[in-house]
Amino acid sequence: QKEVEQDPGPLSVPEGAIVSLNCTYSNSAFQYFMWYRQYSRKGPELLMYTYSSGNKEDGRFTAQVDKSSKYISLFIRDSQPSDSATYLCAMIRRGNNRLAFGKGNQVVVIP
Amino acid sequence: ETGVTQSPTHLIKTRGQQVTLRCSSQSGHNTVSWYQQALGQGPQFIFQYYREEENGRGNFPPRFSGLQFPNYSSELNVNALELDDSALYLCASSLASAQGLDSYTFGSGTRLTVV
Repeated sequence: QKEVEQDPGPLSVPEGAIVSLNCTYSNSAFQYFMWYRQYSRKGPELLMYTYSSGNKEDGRFTAQVDKSSKYISLFIRDSQPSDSATYLCAMIRRGNNRLAFGKGNQVVVIP
Repeated sequence: ETGVTQSPTHLIKTRGQQVTLRCSSQSGHNTVSWYQQALGQGPQFIFQYYREEENGRGNFPPRFSGLQFPNYSSELNVNALELDDSALYLCASSLASAQGLDSYTFGSGTRLTVV
């Protein structure tokens, strides 16, 4: 079993729809949780990070963490064509500066 | 110059050859990490350098090696290239501190193709 599981299936939605992405993890030592966005031919860029269970909002983006279920989610409201990219979840253990990534979800927002 | 820069952007090598990839850290960052991202996969941690010393290594064989220089720039060397080494190699710089997690900045990567 991989440490971080992210169903890599592509996701195609119409403009304005809500995009819902999620990851599960097996190691309870993970304490910091991130979502990265990666455009084609570019490196990942940090969208959001959090270290506690609950919700965190930043504009149209909401990250949720449920440590008891080892489950994290990212929601994108009012999706735009510019949101079309691959979204990667990532996690870090306390005191360890290496990221463990999921496989990523390719999201396409259709105008 | 801000941001993380990597060179070259693309590279084609023959199986068995050696390759060196380069990375310039973001200004003020003292830690460099290297990741391998195969097509359709998430990045996999190769190793990290802090103060010119290796500071953690992922599940990669010894033919993957690296260096960090006093200006915090870094190199990734891969010997005896195999076809499976074809991937996007990402460099990330960061601050080695509890507040450094949101400083983790990736370059655009080097696309290595082994034929």
